[in-house]
Amino acid sequence: SAVISQKPSRDICQRGTSLTIQCQVDSQVTMMFWYRQQPGQSLTLIATANQGSEATYESGFVIDKFPISRPNLTFSTLTVSNMSPEDSSIYLCSVRGARGETQYFGPGTRLLVL
Amino acid sequence: DAKTTQPPSMDCAEGRAANLPCNHSTISGNEYVYWYRQIHSQGPQYIIHGLKNNETNEMASLIITEDRKSSTLILPHATLRDTAVYYCIVRASYGGSQGNLIFGKGTKLSVKP
Repeated sequence: SAVISQKPSRDICQRGTSLTIQCQVDSQVTMMFWYRQQPGQSLTLIATANQGSEATYESGFVIDKFPISRPNLTFSTLTVSNMSPEDSSIYLCSVRGARGETQYFGPGTRLLVL
Repeated sequence: DAKTTQPPSMDCAEGRAANLPCNHSTISGNEYVYWYRQIHSQGPQYIIHGLKNNETNEMASLIITEDRKSSTLILPHATLRDTAVYYCIVRASYGGSQGNLIFGKGTKLSVKP
């Protein structure tokens, strides 16, 4: 299984500011994903982070609000831009290996926007 | 949208088997059944997955009906640490968007002493 770390683990931010979340994996993986979990809700897929090209966003999520980078096979960042209180959520990084069978999740970044 | 239906909550006595049902009546031939759980404030944890045959690992057993329209996750001896939300997810075996994990609401399992 892959070991995934996220930074920061939690943060409190002011509205209108931006926060970049980092995801680091201990091995090269084929697929990296970003999910959001709003308070009391299930997980929602934001986008697939593609190495060397633009991320693939799910319906309802746009690049201007959630820019994503993936410079190599073990690292990705998600930026939450121009934050509002509605962005208060847990943001989770997830990875899948070359065989594509099992997907693993990081510990999450807990974001509170005031 | 999630392709599975699960009861919103279940209780189980500590030390007893926990049997969590999942309905996936529209599952396709190339789609696997995956189970994850999320203990409060943590990232989801992979438990088990299967295609047609029953599967068992150190955490749980997965029983899939012959018509593949439903399955049951079995925790043989539930402990208080098994209290979590359990997600049953249907996912295609190949890549692309059909291979993405789409989460439903899951079942909140409460293991009681």
